[in-house]
Amino acid sequence: DIQMTQSPSSLSASVGDRVTITCQASQDIGNYLNWYQQKSGKAPKLLIYDASNLETGVPSRFSGRGSGTDFTFTISSLQPEDIAIYYCQQYDSLPITFGQGTRLEIK
Amino acid sequence: EVQLVESGGGLVPPGGSLRLSCVASGFTFSNYWMHWVRQAPGKGLEWVSRIHNDGSVTWYADSVKGRFTISRDNAKDTLYLQMNSLRAEDTAVYYCTRDIPHRRLVPWGQGTLVTVSS
Repeated sequence: DIQMTQSPSSLSASVGDRVTITCQASQDIGNYLNWYQQKSGKAPKLLIYDASNLETGVPSRFSGRGSGTDFTFTISSLQPEDIAIYYCQQYDSLPITFGQGTRLEIK
Repeated sequence: EVQLVESGGGLVPPGGSLRLSCVASGFTFSNYWMHWVRQAPGKGLEWVSRIHNDGSVTWYADSVKGRFTISRDNAKDTLYLQMNSLRAEDTAVYYCTRDIPHRRLVPWGQGTLVTVSS
């Protein structure tokens, strides 16, 4: 199975800050890397697919980059509504695996 | 609007069985692969199973293989997860989700809670 290592596990930042989360795959997954946002009590929502493509309707302050084994997710200017847990997910091969999540809080 | 609605969760004793359902609307269900993903209380996401659009091919996580069965009824736009020999560690919210081009999982249902406890 491909292991996804996400860091940090939690993050506190101020409104307007630039926030970056990293995700490392245990083997080359090409660009088959997605990022999801999960707000409290809600289902996950896709933000970024194929490592760097913004899902339709998602604000442009969200972005992603990377390929192979190393990936990053960035919020360019943190907003109060961005409070959530963020997960990376690989879909290069089954089983699909997720990072352990990054809990983002507003300072 | 594309929508997935799960049902069938509840409290079941260890060793028991439960069948989850996921009703799809707003899209041609028979054209899409579907997945179940679960989330234990306070924990991260764990992929459970995938089924091809015609039901001919299925995949399972090792943690549920031999105990869970994914199936679908395209005439009823419904996905199922039959769960047998349930264990405490199967306690989770179970989500169904659709597999769309570029290997995206969109959307996700609201989830249904399964609690395995005596």
